[in-house]
Order: sequence, then C-alpha cells, then structure tokens
Amino acid sequence: DIVMTQSPDSLAVSLGERATINCKSSQSVLSSSNNKNYLTWYQQKPGQPPKLLIYWASTREFGVPDRFSGSGSGTDFTLTISSLQAEDVAVYYCQQYYSTPLTFGGGTKVEIK
Amino acid sequence: QVQLQESGPGLVKPSETLSLTCSVSGGSISGYFWSWIRQPPGKGLEWIGYIYYSGSTNYNPSLKSRVTISVDTSRNQVSLKVSSVTAADTAVYYCARDMVDCSGGRCSAYGMDVWGQGTTVTVSS
Repeated sequence: DIVMTQSPDSLAVSLGERATINCKSSQSVLSSSNNKNYLTWYQQKPGQPPKLLIYWASTREFGVPDRFSGSGSGTDFTLTISSLQAEDVAVYYCQQYYSTPLTFGGGTKVEIK
Repeated sequence: QVQLQESGPGLVKPSETLSLTCSVSGGSISGYFWSWIRQPPGKGLEWIGYIYYSGSTNYNPSLKSRVTISVDTSRNQVSLKVSSVTAADTAVYYCARDMVDCSGGRCSAYGMDVWGQGTTVTVSS
C-alpha cells in the first residue's frame, strides 16, 4: 500500500495569511504513461462530507476559489491557501489514486490564529 | 446536478451484515467508478472499495474478505455489504463518484467529485 503522510497535523494561521500543507507519499504517484500525478486534495468541514479541491496534484476543481493551489510531483506535494478566509477552517486530506488500495493522508486541521 | 444519498440501518449487531444503498439522482451511473469510504468517529478517511459501472470491483485488502459492492444500473443504485461486523466498523459511511480518465487506452479514476452526505452506522448489541 502507498502510505500518505501529511504535515503538520494542525496549523493556526491569521486571516489573510498563507497556509501551507504538505503531503508525502511512500512511493511515486507520477504515471509514466501520461505524466500525471495521481494526487488529490479534499476539504472537510465539521459535519460535512469531503469536498474535492484539487486533482492531478495541481488542477483546481470547477468552482474552487483560486486562493487554493496544489503543487509538487512524484512523492512530495503541497496544498497552499494563499490568503486564509474564515470559511477555510476545515480538515484537509490528500489522497493518492496511483494504485489500489486508494489511501488518504491523516489530515491537517486548519484553524484561525 | 448529480446527487448521492446513502441509506440503510443506523444500528447493526455484532457479527451481522451491514447493508447500505447509495441512490444516484440527477445523472447516470454509467461511465464512472463509484466508491465507498468510511470515517470512524473523530478519525480520518478509509477507502473501502469501488465498482465500475460495468460491474468490475476493487476492494481494500484490509476489508476484502468481508466486503461486497454491487451496482444496479436500472435503479441507479450502488450497494455495500460488510459481513461479520464488529465495533471497529462503527463509522460514517459515504458513497462518492470517482471521475474517470480513459486516455491512453485504460480507464482510471482520479478524484471523487460528488459525495453523499454520509450515513452513521453503529455496531452494538
């Protein structure tokens, strides 16, 4: 199984400041056949299902604000919230789609400082 | 707009079988993978398995011997069965639609773009 490790477990950021979440996979999730990273980011607010933010490591889902961006390749990935808003308080998960079983990171809780 | 709704008993006795249904409205089951994911209270997400609309399945080995996922395209429903449940199976269970990319001659999933609201299942006598 591919193990997904997120860091930090939680972070507190002031409104309008940048939040950065890291995700590392135990093996590369870059497909040699199409040069795409099978890495996805989700946002989960309390009492709600996860919401897709980013797929293929850096492609923003339709309707997701452009303050959310994803980067990285191979085994190391980052989700950045460029200017934290109050509505961004949530737990963020990375997930790999490179091979089954599909696996998620442990989550990063983002709060307002 | 596609919507998913999970349904099934909220309480299951230990050693019995958990059965859930995901009803898909506003769109077709065809052309997608359909996943089941669970989240124990206060914990992270665990992928249970998925089914392609054609009926082929892939399960998490951690649950494989106890899990069955099926699809009924005529009813636009996906079902989950987990046998021999224990307290460790207590969780919120979600169904989700997996986006599919069929370029390169092989169809693969790459993200869950639509989720149900989830249903809480408690295993207790």
